[in-house]
Amino acid sequence: NAGVTQTPKFQVLKTGQSMTLQCAQDMNHNSMYWYRQDPGMGLRLIYYSASEGTTDKGEVPNGYNVSRLNKREFSLRLESAAPSQTSVYFCASSPLPRQYFGPGTRLTVT
Amino acid sequence: AQSVTQLGSHVSVSEGALVLLRCNYSSSVPPYLFWYVQYPNQGLQLLLKYTSAATLVKGINGFEAEFKKSETSFHLTKPSAHMSDAAEYFCAVSGLNFGNEKLTFGTGTRLTIIP
Repeated sequence: NAGVTQTPKFQVLKTGQSMTLQCAQDMNHNSMYWYRQDPGMGLRLIYYSASEGTTDKGEVPNGYNVSRLNKREFSLRLESAAPSQTSVYFCASSPLPRQYFGPGTRLTVT
Repeated sequence: AQSVTQLGSHVSVSEGALVLLRCNYSSSVPPYLFWYVQYPNQGLQLLLKYTSAATLVKGINGFEAEFKKSETSFHLTKPSAHMSDAAEYFCAVSGLNFGNEKLTFGTGTRLTIIP
């Protein structure tokens, strides 16, 4: 039981490049989430998916898209990366009421 | 609507001293409350949670928190700090909105332990 896994662990992009962050969970949870963590700002919700086939915007969705591929996988895509998207990204999954977090992806956009 | 305020972005305590990390919340519905811990370069781990049962909640690693509705607080304490407690701590609140259980996080408190 691996819990929540994320790939890659680290990534450096140039401004304007695109990439997809992958997240998978093996706990059969319905809900999945993407957060970004920036110094002094805590975790902010980007997008979430309450169940397979549904996605909704969180607090900071601009510049991102998501896909809930199946119950296990929830990916986050940056179509045209910007330096403001430099951050640590966490995926989480949830049974009621707590959330389980992945180890994070550290993304730098130059 | 819900929000969390963590007082003190940095707290330093001596090894063996009391740890007190403050959290106040705002919620329009009865809340679920959580404390998460993040060690350097790792994800978040659940320390403890309040889900409307006992108001004094015990978690892992000797931490506990008390839900005080009148004060809208959920402060985290540990009687005796250990060097391994150095980490960042996040308070979070969730509304009782099943099927849409979003968490709102505070901005975090970095705990430093002085030898």
